[in-house]
Amino acid sequence: GDSVTQMEGPVTLSEEAFLTINCTYTATGYPSLFWYVQYPGEGLQLLLKATKADDKGSNKGFEATYRKETTSFHLEKGSVQVSDSAVYFCALTPRSVQGAQKLVFGQGTRLTINP
Amino acid sequence: GAVVSQHPSWVICKSGTSVKIECRSLDFQATTMFWYRQFPKQSLMLMATSNEGSKATYEQGVEKDKFLINHASLTLSTLTVTSAHPEDSSFYICSARDSNRRPSTDTQYFGPGTRLTVL
Repeated sequence: GDSVTQMEGPVTLSEEAFLTINCTYTATGYPSLFWYVQYPGEGLQLLLKATKADDKGSNKGFEATYRKETTSFHLEKGSVQVSDSAVYFCALTPRSVQGAQKLVFGQGTRLTINP
Repeated sequence: GAVVSQHPSWVICKSGTSVKIECRSLDFQATTMFWYRQFPKQSLMLMATSNEGSKATYEQGVEKDKFLINHASLTLSTLTVTSAHPEDSSFYICSARDSNRRPSTDTQYFGPGTRLTVL
C-alpha cells in the first residue's frame, strides 16, 4: 500500500543553519505530496504541497521538489529560525479514485532550533 | 480563516466508560471530516472518513462499534469511544475539508487534537 518514510528525529540545529528533512514515498501512480507543520499546542497546518512531478512547493522560506525518479519530497530551508521549531510531517494523497481524499502521513520529525 | 476546533482538549476516564470528542469547523462548512489517531512518536493513522448525513467510512482494522462517528451537521462531527480501555489511550485528531473551496480535494484543516487517557 501507499506509505511515507521520513528521516528520524529529533533534529536539533542552531539558528541560521541549513535544514533538510528527507521524505520518500511509495505509491501507485502519481500522488499529491504535502508537508504539514505542527507547532506546539496547535493543529497541523499545511506548509506546502506539490501535485505533479518536478513541481516545487514553497512557503515561509521552505521548499520541496517532487522527484518522481527518486520518489522523494525532501524539505529544505536555507536559514532556520527559532520560530521554525515544530514537528514536520510529510504526507501524500493517493491518486486512486477511492483514495483521493485520504492523507497518508510519515511519522513526523521534531525540529528544535537553538538561538 | 479555516479554523477547526476540538473539544475537549484532554480527557481522563475510567475503563469501561464512553467518551465523546467533538470536532467543529468554525468558519466554513465541511461535508467531509476525517478522524486520525496518533500514537507517541508515531504517524497519524486515518481511522475513518465522516460524511455529513451519511455513515462514516472506516479504515481497515478500525472497529465501527468501538469508535462511533456522527456527522449530523455541516460543522460538527463527533467521535465516541465506547467502553474505553487503556489501549484506547491516544491522541485523536480531526480534520475537515472546506466544501465551498474549488478544488476542495487536497487541503484538509486540522484540529488541535484531543488527548485521551483511559485508566
